[in-house]
Amino acid sequence: GNSVTQMEGPVTLSEEAFLTINCTYTATGYPSLFWYVQYPGEGLQLLLKATKADDKGSNKGFEATYRKETTSFHLEKGSVQVSDSAVYFCALRGSTLGRLYFGRGTQLTVWP
Amino acid sequence: EAGVTQFPSHSVIEKGQTVTLRCDPISGHDNLYWYRRVMGKEIKFLLHFVKESKQDESGMPNNRFLAERTGGTYSTLKVQPAELEDSGVYFCASSQAGPRQETQYFGPGTRLLVL
Repeated sequence: GNSVTQMEGPVTLSEEAFLTINCTYTATGYPSLFWYVQYPGEGLQLLLKATKADDKGSNKGFEATYRKETTSFHLEKGSVQVSDSAVYFCALRGSTLGRLYFGRGTQLTVWP
Repeated sequence: EAGVTQFPSHSVIEKGQTVTLRCDPISGHDNLYWYRRVMGKEIKFLLHFVKESKQDESGMPNNRFLAERTGGTYSTLKVQPAELEDSGVYFCASSQAGPRQETQYFGPGTRLLVL
């Protein structure tokens, strides 16, 4: 079946630090992979996505590469800002049905 | 263009009561999804509408949950009677029609607390 395992939080960093949030998946077929972000008091927003192996999704300085050989989709940012403080969710969409499978979410707090 | 909206934003009810959540998808989006996040756990799929038809309801926890999408526009999710374990954040999402329906746009969620 389909599942997503995401790095446990919370993660606390200083501004300008490097960020990695690990995400691995189990899937049948050829899933699409996503990172969603939830800022305080708001809903989920799509941060980036990748639809096939070796694709790199990027947005707002965040990047993630779809690695089929390691079944991973780790989120990275070279220099985090206070405004990046949020909960980050890794998700996959299987090759057939439209539903998303989510990880547990990682709370990121960035201090000035 | 308006995003996905949900109402109410918060609801506090007592065990045994009924609550109805509403979701208005982005105009023209045929696909509508309901998800739920129980405190500290992953966001779990509940069901998927294509227009007014239930495409996949395999995530509905039990028959106390009833979802409808009359006319293929907005959707309601009713919980009757509510139990303590129903507490959580209920998210609605919508996406366009098409073979891959790639991007789902989420609403802000309804925070439900059952006492």
